[in-house]
Amino acid sequence: GEDVEQSLFLSVREGDSSVINCTYTDSSSTYLYWYKQEPGAGLQLLTYIFSNMDMKQDQRLTVLLNKKDKHLSLRIADTQTGDSAIYFCAEIPFNQAGTALIFGKGTTLSVSS
Amino acid sequence: KAGVTQTPRYLIKTRGQQVTLSCSPISGHRSVSWYQQTPGQGLQFLFEYFSETQRNKGNFPGRFSGRQFSNSRSEMNVSTLELGDSALYLCASSLGTGESTEAFFGQGTRLTVV
Repeated sequence: GEDVEQSLFLSVREGDSSVINCTYTDSSSTYLYWYKQEPGAGLQLLTYIFSNMDMKQDQRLTVLLNKKDKHLSLRIADTQTGDSAIYFCAEIPFNQAGTALIFGKGTTLSVSS
Repeated sequence: KAGVTQTPRYLIKTRGQQVTLSCSPISGHRSVSWYQQTPGQGLQFLFEYFSETQRNKGNFPGRFSGRQFSNSRSEMNVSTLELGDSALYLCASSLGTGESTEAFFGQGTRLTVV
């Protein structure tokens, strides 16, 4: 069945780059997403990538997609303490007509000053 | 443009009771999806409504149900509450058509069952 996996924790120093990795199982997924969740809050859509793309850059965020290995990564350049949060990778399986997202368990990013 | 609004934000209920949660999507969005978030299971998809019809359904028991009104607002109902239903319930709205599948989430309703 569909499953999305992420490492659970990442700790970086302020100013460094952070790379959060994700693997997914549905090779037919059309869109892959990154969401951010701060304590006590809902999910904030950070960025997404269409499956026919290898890379997408949006300010400090870079998404890389390796379809052959079903691997997705999110790079945050110049990480700030405000980036501390849980980051979720998500996919919409190809056989879904709508927007039913399958989420990973989330990666907790801790940024120290 | 107003975001996704969920009410109430917090709720405490007793086992065996039922509860109704509400979600108002972004204006113009016709799709509303519901998710349950718990520390153990993470984020799990409950169901999606589009134009008042359930379009997708996750693997939850029949105690979990929902509906969508003509103005796209959606409600989720949980009957015969169990302790394990304690969770953050999130709803997401999207256009639901074409190639735009961006889903925007509300702040969630924190349900505690005692």
